[in-house]
Amino acid sequence: KQEVTQIPAALSVPEGENLVLNCSFTDSAIYNLQWFRQDPGKGLTSLLLIQSSQREQTSGRLNASLDKSSGRSTLYIAASQPGDSATYLCAVLRDDKIIFGKGTRLHILP
Amino acid sequence: NAGVTQTPKFQVLKTGQSMTLQCAQDMNHEYMSWYRQDPGMGLRLIHYSVGAGITDQGEVPNGYNVSRSTTEDFPLRLLSAAPSQTSVYFCASSFGLGGYTFGSGTRLTVV
Repeated sequence: KQEVTQIPAALSVPEGENLVLNCSFTDSAIYNLQWFRQDPGKGLTSLLLIQSSQREQTSGRLNASLDKSSGRSTLYIAASQPGDSATYLCAVLRDDKIIFGKGTRLHILP
Repeated sequence: NAGVTQTPKFQVLKTGQSMTLQCAQDMNHEYMSWYRQDPGMGLRLIHYSVGAGITDQGEVPNGYNVSRSTTEDFPLRLLSAAPSQTSVYFCASSFGLGGYTFGSGTRLTVV
């Protein structure tokens, strides 16, 4: 059974710092991996999608990497801003299902 | 705007009542799915569909029914609401191996 783990569960960092969020999964036979952002009381916004054949994707200050062999993905956020405060969710897709981690709750301190 | 539309946004039910959560997408996506999100439990898959006329159970299907008569719509039915079904429900759609698009959610309270 595929399990997705995100560490840490919560993180507070001062504004301007670079940071890394971690995601691990138990079954490396995935089709793709997707990172989402969720603001309190809101829906999920897609940030980055990495196909299984890719190693990384970039969008603005965000960079996501994928290492299938080790079952790991990282989301790198450069020059963090208070507006980056949210919960970040990692999800893996296989067999028509998407399985989520429980998320990392990020707080950027002004 | 293209995307996934969920209605209603908020709902309060009494125990034992039934209702249908609506989900519609206009992106011609094959895959649609329903999730519930609970504190400490994350997002859990309820039911999913890989195309019109095809549905299957996810991780927590008990107490819920679905059908997929058209590509666009994927309603979720609560047969007899229970307090344990108090949650936020999200519908999502995807085309093949592309990324998922989520609706804005339905916040359901069962009293």
